[in-house]
Amino acid sequence: GAVVSQHPSRVICKSGTSVKIECRSLDFQATTMFWYRQFPKQSLMLMATSNEGSKATYEQGVEKDKFLINHASLTLSTLTVTSAHPEDSSFYICSAVKGPSNSPLHFGNGTRLTVT
Amino acid sequence: AQTVTQSQPEMSVQEAETVTLSCTYDTSESDYYLFWYKQPPSRQMILVIRQEAYKQQNATENRFSVNFQKAAKSFSLKISDSQLGDAAMYFCAYRSSNQGGKLIFGQGTELSVKP
Repeated sequence: GAVVSQHPSRVICKSGTSVKIECRSLDFQATTMFWYRQFPKQSLMLMATSNEGSKATYEQGVEKDKFLINHASLTLSTLTVTSAHPEDSSFYICSAVKGPSNSPLHFGNGTRLTVT
Repeated sequence: AQTVTQSQPEMSVQEAETVTLSCTYDTSESDYYLFWYKQPPSRQMILVIRQEAYKQQNATENRFSVNFQKAAKSFSLKISDSQLGDAAMYFCAYRSSNQGGKLIFGQGTELSVKP
């Protein structure tokens, strides 16, 4: 159990366009979802925390108008990269948790975004 | 703010041997959780082991065990009888009991296993 599906796994878009990445908890209701960004050979950097029905909490330095996060239901959170630029090319990973802080996080398989 | 530091960018171990990956963290909290995650080339995050800060006993999972030193804020991972499939990036992570329970990762250690 506790499967998190992330879609798409790979996406290539042109500079200036917007891209939406979906994160779904398939067999549980996620009270909180987290969005991470990972550059090659580097660590996962937390971008934002998303709670169902409320505004996302962004980490310092992350542009909330560029990285739009919507957590419309207990099973779906979306990350939209608006007006994408080549420097936005990265690996984006979501994770979901059900319950309190001692509950495990479940990770999606990630999305590789390439902006040309 | 909490920080997690992994001072070993790369480590290497001979197959069947034992290797220890280091991790230190900084926090002012007394209640938190620590994790080791494995990330193979597929980029999938795989939970290796977890430790609750309030537990004195070190966690173990088959060939994986930790040395948790709360006062020193140290949380090392020992891999015994290393296998070729253990080769991956390993991330140490800290999770607060509040602040929404967000997970903060260290820089990672790339482990290679020599046959």
